[in-house]
Amino acid sequence: GESVGLHLPTLSVQEGDNSIINCAYSNSASDYFIWYKQESGKGPQFIIDIRSNMDKRQGQRVTVLLNKTVKHLSLQIAATQPGDSAVYFCAENGSAGNMLTFGGGTRLMVKP
Amino acid sequence: GAVVSQHPSWVICKSGTSVKIECRSLDFQATTMFWYRQFPKQSLMLMATSNEGSKATYEQGVEKDKFLINHASLTLSTLTVTSAHPEDSSFYICSALGGQGIVLGTQYFGPGTRLLVL
Repeated sequence: GESVGLHLPTLSVQEGDNSIINCAYSNSASDYFIWYKQESGKGPQFIIDIRSNMDKRQGQRVTVLLNKTVKHLSLQIAATQPGDSAVYFCAENGSAGNMLTFGGGTRLMVKP
Repeated sequence: GAVVSQHPSWVICKSGTSVKIECRSLDFQATTMFWYRQFPKQSLMLMATSNEGSKATYEQGVEKDKFLINHASLTLSTLTVTSAHPEDSSFYICSALGGQGIVLGTQYFGPGTRLLVL
């Protein structure tokens, strides 16, 4: 499956501020979620994941929150840095074969 | 760990040429690899699932005779775009499914191959 959008929503934040990127998913059977970061001209880079038996997971400067009731996923980036500027995709795994369904992506722009 | 490479990074070719793209898992074995294509400002679109030693599974709308996939070993999958045309120009990205030793069930992506067909 795939999610396609012609225009990526953009989040613009000041360097040092916290960023919150949101994602809605559709498959209530999805049990595994991943956030990827994609810089221009590069492949997606794994950031953090969360399984459906959790509602929060923290990494280094990043936190993922999962609300299964409303099928919502968010990625929080603390103290956002210019190097965080990229497109961020959420992905869900709710089918056999470990296939991922990607969200449309959000472009994060960090202003110095 | 979990490094995936792709070769080549860039391809420019004439219409009608066949182009082969390699995807390698460098430090882990991957029985399953995936091929995606991505158009500008869009999300990733799954083309096919590649399983080592068996035929690939193609997504609806993807021509299997156009996009040939071979997963001959646990660390290598290839995608061949046969008789490429300008509309095949895109960013092709592979991923390898993590197994024992790294995050199980997570897809690790290659750096992508940009194909431009003139």
